[in-house]
Amino acid sequence: AQKVTQTQTSISVMEKTTVTMDCVYETQDSSYFLFWYKQTASGEIVFLIRQDSYKKENATVGHYSLNFQKPKSSIGLIITATQIEDSAVYFCAMRELNMGYKLTFGTGTSLLVDP
Amino acid sequence: EAAVTQSPRNKVAVTGGKVTLSCNQTNNHNNMYWYRQDTGHGLRLIHYSYGAGSTEKGDIPDGYKASRPSQENFSLILELATPSQTSVYFCASGDPGQGAGNTLYFGEGSRLIVV
Repeated sequence: AQKVTQTQTSISVMEKTTVTMDCVYETQDSSYFLFWYKQTASGEIVFLIRQDSYKKENATVGHYSLNFQKPKSSIGLIITATQIEDSAVYFCAMRELNMGYKLTFGTGTSLLVDP
Repeated sequence: EAAVTQSPRNKVAVTGGKVTLSCNQTNNHNNMYWYRQDTGHGLRLIHYSYGAGSTEKGDIPDGYKASRPSQENFSLILELATPSQTSVYFCASGDPGQGAGNTLYFGEGSRLIVV
């Protein structure tokens, strides 16, 4: 069964610094997709970035990037030059190719960016 | 812009009563999902669907039914609501055919309180 674990409950950083959020996953599937989603204070949940298991290059979108360590079953989210508006809850998620389109989420990490 | 809308946004129900949460998407996505969000548990998958007429059980389907009468609409039904079903419910749509690994688009959430 697929499982996604986020051990960091909350993180606090100063604005304009870099933060890394951890996520580890369990899968028996050789092909899978990893995602990060952001939930703002209003409750809105939006997709941020995705990593396909067969790709060796780490995905990057804007000031979000991933640290994909396949041997460790780890997919960290890196936010550089953090802004106040990055304060939110961040969810890691996984879809296994053999599980159809079922998407399993972690418990989330709350990020607070202080001015 | 992709759009997923949920109704009602807020609902107070009595124990033993029937509750229907509705979701409509204008994305023309094949896949639709119902998650619930509770503190400490993140987003947990209740039911999902691959298209009109199809429903699949997620990780926590007990006490819930789902209905997908059309491509656009996906409902979550609580036949006999219990206080343990007090939660925030999110609907989402996704389409793997767009080559995005099934990125999900979420609705605004429906807050349900069962008294």
